[in-house]
Parts: sequence; structure tokens; C-alpha cells
Amino acid sequence: DAKTTQPPSMDCAEGRAANLPCNHSTISGNEYVYWYRQIHSQGPQYIIHGLKNNETNEMASLIITEDRKSSTLILPHATLRDTAVYYCIVRPPSGGYQKVTFGTGTKLQVIP
Amino acid sequence: GAGVSQSPRYKVAKRGQDVALRCDPISGHVSLFWYQQALGQGPEFLTYFQNEAQLDKSGLPSDRFFAERPEGSVSTLKIQRTQQEDSAVYLCASSPRLNTEAFFGQGTRLTVV
Repeated sequence: DAKTTQPPSMDCAEGRAANLPCNHSTISGNEYVYWYRQIHSQGPQYIIHGLKNNETNEMASLIITEDRKSSTLILPHATLRDTAVYYCIVRPPSGGYQKVTFGTGTKLQVIP
Repeated sequence: GAGVSQSPRYKVAKRGQDVALRCDPISGHVSLFWYQQALGQGPEFLTYFQNEAQLDKSGLPSDRFFAERPEGSVSTLKIQRTQQEDSAVYLCASSPRLNTEAFFGQGTRLTVV
């Protein structure tokens, strides 16, 4: 099962774009990249996922490199409410979350 | 409710006491997962249900941990003879099918004293 590597912490100024990197160099061709975030004292919240193509939704954009060995989650205009721990995970298409490793994520601090 | 509901939100247990943690998944969700999250760590898989069938319990740390989902909806995680190392947040997640995104509850914070 592919594992991910994320920086332990990042700061971002309020209103600026937050770019959170993730390395998943051992990802298999059919495994998806998922992003979750966890605000203090809450459960993880789904943000976005992708396979090969870049994806965008109302919360964020996901950029996956062509070789799929890394990705970047982009929060276009960070707010204080975006302060959270962000997890990048890899999930096989036919399997559920029992095969997923969350790791310790990136703690994003949005600064006023 | 609209989301995954867990109860209680907080539980303090004396060492050696049995506890039961409840998870109400989103209605109609087939898959249900339990995770344990230690302070400062990411969630770690405990067990997985598809409907009422427990298909994977490889993450349960000891035979003191037991989970059930008898009617394929509500699930209970039971911990017998609690120990201090069981102190953690226990998260439940559900998904419509196995290969779709999962939605998490707010968790139950268990403190064993």
C-alpha cells in the first residue's frame, strides 16, 4: 500500500493561496489520491480526490504531477477557518479505507 | 441526521472498566469503519464492516476490542477491561459503497484514568 509524505507544518497568510504538497512516490497506477482535513476536536472532513487529472471543487484544487508521484492541494484564498491538519492519503480503487494510512499530515496555520 | 453521529463525545473510564462507543452512520451507507487516533497522530484503522458483516478486523489492537453492527446500520465498539493506553479518540466513518469517499463522525474521546 502506497504511503505518503507531507511536511509537518506550514503557515499561510490569510487571503493568500495555501499550497500543500504531498509525496506519494510508490503510488500504483490505479490508486487514488485523497485529501482530508481535521479541524481541532472534529473528525476528518473530505476535501477532494483525483486519479490523474487535476480536480477542482468548491473547497480546493488538486494538482497531480504527470508521473503521479506527488500532488499539491491548493486552497485559493485561505481563511482562518482553514487552520487544520491536512491529510493526503492514497486509496486503491477496489478497496476501502481499511487499506489507507493517514500519517501525521500537515498542520496548516493561517495567519491574520 | 445528515452526518455520522457518535456518542458519547467524551468518556472517562476507570482502568479495568468496560466501555461501549456508538456510531450512527449516514443512512443507507453500506461501509463502516472504525479508527483510533492517538494525540498528535493520524487516524489508524481498527475494523471495517460491509452491512452487518465484519470483513476486516486486522487493526484491533487486542482481544479486548470488539465491534459489531448487527443490523447493518448502527455500530458499537466495545473495549473490555480498559487500560491507560486505550486513551484516544475513536472515529467512525461511513461510505455509500466500498470505493467511495468516507465521511467521518466527530469522534469519541476516551480517557482511561
